[in-house]
Amino acid sequence: AQTVTQSQPEMSVQEAETVTLSCTYDTSESDYYLFWYKQPPSRQMILVIRQEAYKQQNATENRFSVNFQKAAKSFSLKISDSQLGDAAMYFCALGAGNMLTFGGGTRLMVKP
Amino acid sequence: ETGVTQSPTHLIKTRGQQVTLRCSSQSGHNTVSWYQQALGQGPQFIFQYYREEENGRGNFPPRFSGLQFPNYSSELNVNALELDDSALYLCASSLVLGTHYNEQFFGPGTRLTVL
Repeated sequence: AQTVTQSQPEMSVQEAETVTLSCTYDTSESDYYLFWYKQPPSRQMILVIRQEAYKQQNATENRFSVNFQKAAKSFSLKISDSQLGDAAMYFCALGAGNMLTFGGGTRLMVKP
Repeated sequence: ETGVTQSPTHLIKTRGQQVTLRCSSQSGHNTVSWYQQALGQGPQFIFQYYREEENGRGNFPPRFSGLQFPNYSSELNVNALELDDSALYLCASSLVLGTHYNEQFFGPGTRLTVL
């Protein structure tokens, strides 16, 4: 069984500043992927960034980057130069076998 | 390329009724997964369909059932609706070629309200 835990129900950041969202996970699988999804009020689940567990190099997508600590089973998301459009629910998720396991989410608020 | 679509967008039912939700997978995908997202929570895996057969199931009772059709579209059926079934139901499609995880692409969801 897989578990994903997001310990920050809400986070707030000033526009143009940097924020880090935390995520820890547990799995017995050796072949898995980790994801951060963004879910705005429109409800559409949007993939922000993905990390293959076998890769040591941290993934980066423009202003979004991750800090993947495999031994600690930690997978945090850093958003640089935060923008108003980044405000949303963010979900950490683990993909293994045929399913995704999601964390409980972090609501990110961006202050102008 | 057409993305994942779901219908209807919103649905209101009463306790005890039955409901069918529909999902069309992304072009080229052969697998559909269904998730339930209660308000304020993360999505939970209901089940997955691959080649028209159930290919894994989460912790949901048998009154949650599904179908996959030859064109890879899918239905989620819920019988004997309960108030706790009120949620956003998300469908995700993927192209499964082996046993490892394959990226899933999500539809916009169906909001089900049970009164």
